[in-house]
Amino acid sequence: ETGVTQTPRHLVMGMTNKKSLKCEQHLGHNAMYWYKQSAKKPLELMFVYNFKEQTENNSVPSRFSPECPNSSHLFLHLHTLQPEDSALYLCASSPGLSGGGVAQETQYFGPGTRLLVL
Amino acid sequence: QKEVEQNSGPLSVPEGAIASLNCTYSDRVSQSFFWYRQYSGKSPELIMSIYSNGDKEDGRFTAQLNKASQYVSLLIRDSQPSDSATYLCAAQLAGSYQLTFGKGTKLSVIP
Repeated sequence: ETGVTQTPRHLVMGMTNKKSLKCEQHLGHNAMYWYKQSAKKPLELMFVYNFKEQTENNSVPSRFSPECPNSSHLFLHLHTLQPEDSALYLCASSPGLSGGGVAQETQYFGPGTRLLVL
Repeated sequence: QKEVEQNSGPLSVPEGAIASLNCTYSDRVSQSFFWYRQYSGKSPELIMSIYSNGDKEDGRFTAQLNKASQYVSLLIRDSQPSDSATYLCAAQLAGSYQLTFGKGTKLSVIP
């Protein structure tokens, strides 16, 4: 596999379910991102990890819980979601910088997980 | 509040014409700018990045940046029906990993 992969591609869950989204990047990058894309809204950054450390959390509700066990894998754990959480969830990666620095980095996106909460 | 504004369109151009997509941003500290193309039901795909004032050309695509006017644009020459997609403009602040995206402009190239 190449690039950024995401599983599952489609997910339907009830409000009481617990599920996880998985992202894997094969680009040798060190920074990974979760975005939410809802209809008629701009892409919203949710979380950023650089070298496995969370660097940004954009006021995301606690029902979304990220996990980054290594630089190649990123998870988004979901529990007690609401119907308004239905959206396309996109993972992205970029090279990342050690020492906490930030460069002009291009982010590469995975295919996304289309989530429907009933 | 950091904002990136784009005309949502749809922008319709005939095949072979030049498509001009525009974007303005509110934060003067933004230093890097990106154009992504997103086909319906697909994820964003990078088209161009630009960091310095002026023009940057890559094949049929030219990105233009004017930091004084806080304006960035994307020109697509010899537009093809396969260019029909939503084009997302994104700005990155200096020292931040965060990209702020616009809502996107839907482009339709008419054969």
